Amino acid sequence: DGGITQSPKYLFRKEGQNVTLSCEQNLNHDAMYWYRQDPGQGLRLIYYSQIVNDFQKGDIAEGYSVSREKKESFPLTVTSAQKNPTAFYLCASRGRGRINEKLFFGSGTQLSVL
Amino acid sequence: EDQVTQSPEALRLQEGESSSLNCSYTVSGLRGLFWYRQDPGKGPEFLFTLYSAGEEKEKERLKATLTKKESFLHITAPKPEDSATYLCAVHPSSGTYKYIFGTGTRLKVLA
Repeated sequence: DGGITQSPKYLFRKEGQNVTLSCEQNLNHDAMYWYRQDPGQGLRLIYYSQIVNDFQKGDIAEGYSVSREKKESFPLTVTSAQKNPTAFYLCASRGRGRINEKLFFGSGTQLSVL
Repeated sequence: EDQVTQSPEALRLQEGESSSLNCSYTVSGLRGLFWYRQDPGKGPEFLFTLYSAGEEKEKERLKATLTKKESFLHITAPKPEDSATYLCAVHPSSGTYKYIFGTGTRLKVLA
């Protein structure tokens, strides 16, 4: 079945540590996104990528980094510079053309600070 | 500024008690409006896309409608399994990558 796989489901970060969240899709989508979800807030865009080897900052990119070396993969690193990383992180992708502009989401990663 | 507001924040219904969720939006131009369902600890699941005022989409007990300023998600005779958070998102015509999400409506249907 086609879809988006995020791992791990739960992740704990120690102070000063960088952690990487995995996102893999087999939908053959060009565009991929990372969102952060906090209670009582709408999804906020961290980074997005429209094509391999290219990505742009979203609204809250500080303290995060990404790479897009393969079409299928868009990992997110939460660096030690992100002082409030506890949140639910969602990866999404979409296809081309207007009828394919709905976002498909993964199952999410809950990141907590130890 | 582009903005999406959902109301109410939370809604409790008895099984079979129909109601509507609201999504008001302010954008310079609308490319699409999306409804999603999200269960606790899971990613949003796509429900509907609406493109233009007057459009309606239906799926089982859910019906989504769109005007020039807002969208409604009507839930007819809900069941406990309809309990979830319902998210609305707008894709403005001004930015091909941009999606603006509302904060959602938490729906609880009691048996």
